[in-house]
Amino acid sequence: DSGVTQTPKHLITATGQRVTLRCSPRSGDLSVYWYQQSLDQGLQFLIQYYNGEERAKGNILERFSAQQFPDLHSELNLSSLELGDSALYFCASSGTVTSEKLFFGSGTQLSVL
Amino acid sequence: EDKVVQSPLSLVVHEGDTVTLNCSYEVTNFRSLLWYKQEKKAPTFLFMLTSSGIEKKSGRLSSILDKKELFSILNITATQTGDSAVYLCAFPKTSYDKVIFGPGTSLSVIP
Repeated sequence: DSGVTQTPKHLITATGQRVTLRCSPRSGDLSVYWYQQSLDQGLQFLIQYYNGEERAKGNILERFSAQQFPDLHSELNLSSLELGDSALYFCASSGTVTSEKLFFGSGTQLSVL
Repeated sequence: EDKVVQSPLSLVVHEGDTVTLNCSYEVTNFRSLLWYKQEKKAPTFLFMLTSSGIEKKSGRLSSILDKKELFSILNITATQTGDSAVYLCAFPKTSYDKVIFGPGTSLSVIP
């Protein structure tokens, strides 16, 4: 158990809908990262937050947004969902602003029908 | 653009065999190379290598980084069924604090 909690584990929704994925980092970790993993793309970095502030942005679509709250949990919002958004979404945390060692949650499997 | 290639993409071995997984890269400005093991869901950290030529060992697993030839290898000796997983190499970037992951090698160890 990495100590990173993600909910829900599975999510099935229809195209055009909006969903929110939630992540609680390990106790004491200030950095939260979001990754998308699909069969053909591998692990793709989306966005990082450190202590409530956006720190780095990767290949995140404009339809997606994230935030980190004062209690350090983070939410990833996906809107106007498309079939191609179906993937496993991981949250990871680390104790520093850099990312040498990430602790991953078990992921949220999103299926868009 | 950063590029990471892992080979083979997939392999199946018998218990007790030794395997070598390769990670070749064209990545600029990275701080270290990381190896992760992904079973079913969440990747778990295995190694961090920061300098070329340094071999890290942890039980049956060992890894080497060659910064001149731009590759790393992960060796697993006396494989066990519990080694079955996808193995990912990854590169934390210095500039944007993101981690570039390779596509992974899927290892299946059969009894």
